Amino acid sequence: QQQVKQSPQSLIVQKGGISIINCAYENTAFDYFPWYQQFPGKGPALLIAIRPDVSEKKEGRFTISFNKSAKQFSLHIMDSQPGDSATYFCAASKGDFNKFYFGSGTKLNVKP
Amino acid sequence: DTAVSQTPKYLVTQMGNDKSIKCEQNLGHDTMYWYKQDSKKFLKIMFSYNNKELIINETVPNRFSPKSPDKAHLNLHINSLELGDSAVYFCASSPKGRNTGELFFGEGSRLTVL
Repeated sequence: QQQVKQSPQSLIVQKGGISIINCAYENTAFDYFPWYQQFPGKGPALLIAIRPDVSEKKEGRFTISFNKSAKQFSLHIMDSQPGDSATYFCAASKGDFNKFYFGSGTKLNVKP
Repeated sequence: DTAVSQTPKYLVTQMGNDKSIKCEQNLGHDTMYWYKQDSKKFLKIMFSYNNKELIINETVPNRFSPKSPDKAHLNLHINSLELGDSAVYFCASSPKGRNTGELFFGEGSRLTVL
C-alpha cells in the first residue's frame, strides 16, 4: 500500500513555463514533506521541504504548497529550465528516525 | 570528497550468487539507510541503522543482510540472488535524531541479476 501518491508520472513543459507536480497522503502523523530531485545516474538530492505548520514555502523558483486539510502538497517550478529536467520525488516521514515514504516519481522534461 | 560513497557502482551476476555492496559516509551522520529503486523508479526503504543499531527493517527477504561495523559504514550482503533483486540500491545517511529531515544519498549501485 503506497503511503504517498504522486502525479503525473511524466510531464513535458516548455522553457519558461510552470511545472506542477502533486502528491497526496493518508497518514496524518506525517510531519515532514520533502521533495527530492534525481538526475540520471545520480542519487536523489533534497530540493525543498516543508513541515505542516506552514502552507507554503518558496526557495528561488521552487515552491511547495501544502494543504493540510486535503492532505495534499505540490511542487511548483516557476520559469522552468531545461536544466530542471529530472525525476522528482515527493516524500513524507513521521518522526521515526527519518523513515521516508516516497511517491512514485515524476519525470519532468523541459523543452528548450 | 564524496559525502556518501558506494561500491561497486555496477554489479552483474548470475542467479544464485552472493554479492555485497559497501557504503561509507564522511558526513559524521549517525543514521544510515539502504533504499531500493526498482525499474519503475519507485524508492523503497529496506533498512536503517542508527549508530550501528538496526532501527528499521522493512519486509525484506532474509537473503538480504545489512551490517554496520561502525557508524560511518553500512554494507549490504545479498545471498542467493534472484532475478527480482535487479534494481538500483541506494545508500543514504542523515543527521542524528528523529525526523531531522534531509537524506544524503550515494550515487547508487546498479545490480543486474542474469
